[in-house]
Amino acid sequence: DAGVIQSPRHEVTEMGQEVTLRCKPISGHNSLFWYRQTMMRGLELLIYFNNNVPIDDSGMPEDRFSAKMPNASFSTLKIQPSEPRDSAVYFCASSPGLAGVGEQFFGPGTRLTVL
Amino acid sequence: AQSVTQLGSHVSVSEGALVLLRCNYSSSVPPYLFWYVQYPNQGLQLLLKYTSAATLVKGINGFEAEFKKSETSFHLTKPSAHMSDAAEYFCAVGPEAGRRALTFGSGTRLQVQP
Repeated sequence: DAGVIQSPRHEVTEMGQEVTLRCKPISGHNSLFWYRQTMMRGLELLIYFNNNVPIDDSGMPEDRFSAKMPNASFSTLKIQPSEPRDSAVYFCASSPGLAGVGEQFFGPGTRLTVL
Repeated sequence: AQSVTQLGSHVSVSEGALVLLRCNYSSSVPPYLFWYVQYPNQGLQLLLKYTSAATLVKGINGFEAEFKKSETSFHLTKPSAHMSDAAEYFCAVGPEAGRRALTFGSGTRLQVQP
């Protein structure tokens, strides 16, 4: 299995631009998670989906952030408009849910820099 | 609600010395516990997991952790540190009933001195 795939690996954009991060979970996993990691705040859970349905988005910082999971093999995290404080590494993770004990498998991350 | 506390944001050991990274958890139900490792510029990788079977869990790269219910602890150890062990380590607990999310600790950065 290729593992969790994220794209792009690096994104540099200017303040005010729209940013879309993409994630392909491991096939057969039914839970998907988006995290943000910064030096100041550590690892933060933004949102997670179960069977393509958003379950908990309480970690989404504000309305500028949105996430979708149109099917079991694809999810996006969108920031519009982006701000310099959004600069961070964004991780996607998937989990087999009830088929496992909850362990999550992480992608390599997208390093976002907003100038 | 579940929570995890990792004592010590930075730990430094000499190569060949014992590694001990501390994790205490809080959970109202019997927990599943995990240790993840993050190498520079990479995602988190599962080191080991406790799922209510044996209390001493062995993971990859020579690491192991012991579940101690009386102490609500799940400390990570390795008898002899190697330079390649330098990384950040995260303890996690969960998932709680009705949720799929894990609760992660704040991480401990391990430095290995030659």
